[in-house]
Amino acid sequence: AQKVTQAQTEISVVEKEDVTLDCVYETRDTTYYLFWYKQPPSGELVFLIRRNSFDEQNEISGRYSWNFQKSTSSFNFTITASQVVDSAVYFCALSGSNTGNQFYFGTGTSLTVIP
Amino acid sequence: GAGVSQSPSNKVTEKGKDVELRCDPISGHTALYWYRQSLGQGLEFLIYFQGNSAPDKSGLPSDRFSAERTGGSVSTLTIQRTQQEDSAVYLCASSFGLGITSLHFGNGTRLTVT
Repeated sequence: AQKVTQAQTEISVVEKEDVTLDCVYETRDTTYYLFWYKQPPSGELVFLIRRNSFDEQNEISGRYSWNFQKSTSSFNFTITASQVVDSAVYFCALSGSNTGNQFYFGTGTSLTVIP
Repeated sequence: GAGVSQSPSNKVTEKGKDVELRCDPISGHTALYWYRQSLGQGLEFLIYFQGNSAPDKSGLPSDRFSAERTGGSVSTLTIQRTQQEDSAVYLCASSFGLGITSLHFGNGTRLTVT
């Protein structure tokens, strides 16, 4: 079965705090891809990152960083020094070589950054 | 086009009426996906197209829902005899390939059934 779990429904932080959004996945595929998307209040989902299952190297892009750990089936997303513009719903997603080309999305984590 | 375009952006319809939602994908994108997002919920997969064919229709909620894609480009999602539970934001996304490349989403169509 393919499944993505984002246990945190809502998170509130004060501006400049660091925050980590959790994502745990389940898959039987040996080759798969993990994604993070951001959905700001305007509504359009924006692609943030893609990671394939063979690349466990962590990635940093400005204030964003991602920690991929196959041993715990997790792909967590950290925002450093959060800003009000980071307020959005963040979705983690999974696709795999045997999933019929579907993307499986988590239920999302709503992040509110308080000024 | 520059991005995925969906129309209309908002649609209010009476229960029992039919509605058509349109999606113009990014030029050159062969894969097209439809999702539904209810208030405060995640993304519910409806259907995807590779070219003009839809290999996986398993996500369509009922036989009142149908979709087609013509010319490997524009797609239309049709909901017949709308019900109040159909109220949601319908999102379209396109990508170069299937399942491994990132999805590019449109702004969605907000459907309200009264």
